[in-house]
Amino acid sequence: QVQLVESGGGVVQPGRSLRLSCAASGFRFGDYGIHWVRQAPGKGLEWVAMIWYDGSNEYYGDAVKGRCTISRDNSRNTVNMEVNSLRDEDTAVYYCVRDGGGRLGAFDIWGQGTKVIVSS
Amino acid sequence: DIQMTQSPSAMSASVGDRVTITCRASQGVFNYLVWFRQKPGKVPERLISAASSLQSGVPSRFSGSGSQTEFTLTISNLQPEDSATYYCLQHNSYPLTFGGGTKVEIK
Repeated sequence: QVQLVESGGGVVQPGRSLRLSCAASGFRFGDYGIHWVRQAPGKGLEWVAMIWYDGSNEYYGDAVKGRCTISRDNSRNTVNMEVNSLRDEDTAVYYCVRDGGGRLGAFDIWGQGTKVIVSS
Repeated sequence: DIQMTQSPSAMSASVGDRVTITCRASQGVFNYLVWFRQKPGKVPERLISAASSLQSGVPSRFSGSGSQTEFTLTISNLQPEDSATYYCLQHNSYPLTFGGGTKVEIK
């Protein structure tokens, strides 16, 4: 079945780095862009980053720009996102989300999320 | 950046009511607008894409309309399982932006 599974969350100290992964299955991974969306405790959804289906373009939200790198390996059906210089406000559940492109294809499949807690 | 202003932020309605949620974009986004529902403790799920196209499997009591800067999500005949927080998202231009959410409570 179509599935996205995030991993890499945990407790990390402020100022440190964290690498999140998103593993895809059940569809032609190389045809889809992937987004990361996060949700801080009790708060709304925040778009974080996106990588094109072929890895040729990346986009970042203002909150992580300059601290974040998204990459993908289409041979392994995975997307990784590294966030550096972590801050308290990066504490959130991070979701990876599929994007089939165009007006109709965006954000149709979500992973279950991985929780990141930034704390000393 | 495009700001998405969603209203109301919370509301309470009775079973059978018609509910309307609005998202206003600070600049035109054509119809690159998606609506999501998030039930407590759950992953968001897409309800509507391209402003008005209902996701397969989503009940027909949900409908979306609008273009450019003003969008609405309507739930006709509100049901108990519709208790959730609803979000809009513009994906016309980066950075993508979500509305602040509307929490719908059933009286």
